[in-house]
Parts: sequence; C-alpha cells; structure tokens
Amino acid sequence: QKEVEQDPGPLSVPEGAIVSLNCTYSNSAFQYFMWYRQYSRKGPELLMYTYSSGNKEDGRFTAQVDKSSKYISLFIRDSQPSDSATYLCAMILIKAAGNKLTFGGGTRVLVKP
Amino acid sequence: GAGVSQSPSNKVTEKGKDVELRCDPISGHTALYWYRQSLGQGLEFLIYFQGNSAPDKSGLPSDRFSAERTGGSVSTLTIQRTQQEDSAVYLCASSPTVLAGAQEQFFGPGTRLTVL
Repeated sequence: QKEVEQDPGPLSVPEGAIVSLNCTYSNSAFQYFMWYRQYSRKGPELLMYTYSSGNKEDGRFTAQVDKSSKYISLFIRDSQPSDSATYLCAMILIKAAGNKLTFGGGTRVLVKP
Repeated sequence: GAGVSQSPSNKVTEKGKDVELRCDPISGHTALYWYRQSLGQGLEFLIYFQGNSAPDKSGLPSDRFSAERTGGSVSTLTIQRTQQEDSAVYLCASSPTVLAGAQEQFFGPGTRLTVL
C-alpha cells in the first residue's frame, strides 16, 4: 500500500465548476501537507501548504486537512481552462536530516471551455 | 531571478550506457533534492543534499544511481548501465536552509530520460 493515495483521474469539468481533489494517507506522522500543480512538461509548482487540521483559503483555492481521518482536499472554485493540469498532493515528515516530500500519484484535471 | 535549471531537457540513450543529469539550483539555496517521476506516477524521492552534510541517499533505487554536489551548488545525478525501467522524468528541486518547519521546494523543468 502506498503511503499517499490519490485518484489519477482524469477529472473533466466544465468551465466555472468547482474542482474537488483529495488524497488519503496512512502515516499519522506526516506534519505538513502541500498541493502542487504541474503543467505538461514542466516541474511542479507549489499552490498551497497547511500544517494543522482545518481550512486554508487563497483566492479561488481552498485546502482542507482532516488529520483524524488522514484525508486532505483541494477545492478550486470558478475553474478556468488554465487550471487544466495535474495536481499532486505531497506531505512532509519533519526530520532533522531534511524535509523530503512524499507525493501522491497526481490527478489530471481538464477544464473544458 | 533565475529558477532551478536542469540539463539536458531530453536524453535518449541505449540500454547499458551511462548518463549524467545536471541541476543548477537557485542561488543561495542550501538544500537540493532529486526526484523521479515515471509515466503516470507521482514523484519518487531519490536523494537529498543539505550544505556540507552527508547526503540522504535513502531513495536511490540501486547502486547504479549516484549523485554528487560540488561546491554546495551544482549537482549531477549519474545512472550507470541504464535499464529500460530507468526511463522517467528526473526532477531537481532546491530550497532555502532547512529550519524548523517546512520550506518550499522549487522545482526545475526536469530531464526526460528515455532508455531504448
């Protein structure tokens, strides 16, 4: 079983719809939770990160963390065709030697005009 | 300022050959990471460098893989005797000094390796 599970999609939505993405994880020691966006043939770029359980909002993006259920979500409101990309969740175990990221497999999102 | 750069952007090689992949991190970033992304998969951690400390090699899949970081800046990932299963996108990331708490990792565009 992978430490972080993410539905690969693809997830196809019409422009203006809400995109809902989620990941589950098995290691309760994960402390930081991140969402990256990756366009085709580009490196991932950080969208949001959270530490505690609850919601965090940034513009059209809302990240949710439920540590008790080991479940995180990302919502994209008023989706645009430019949001079409692969979205990767990532988590960090804070260790003295470094903060390597453990990624989910990514969900491909297609927003149709 | 300039972001993380990687070269080459694409590399096609024959099975059994050695390859070298290069990463130039953001100036001043002391932490450098290598990840591998296979087709349709998420990123898999390979190796991590922090300043002059011994690297964390726990993610390297076999002893055919090695990496070095010269002068605390540029890093090279070497794959010896390449196999077809090594085909993937190899991504490099850098971040500022690792303090308590997470630091954002900035990714390069990756090197797409194809082993024939």
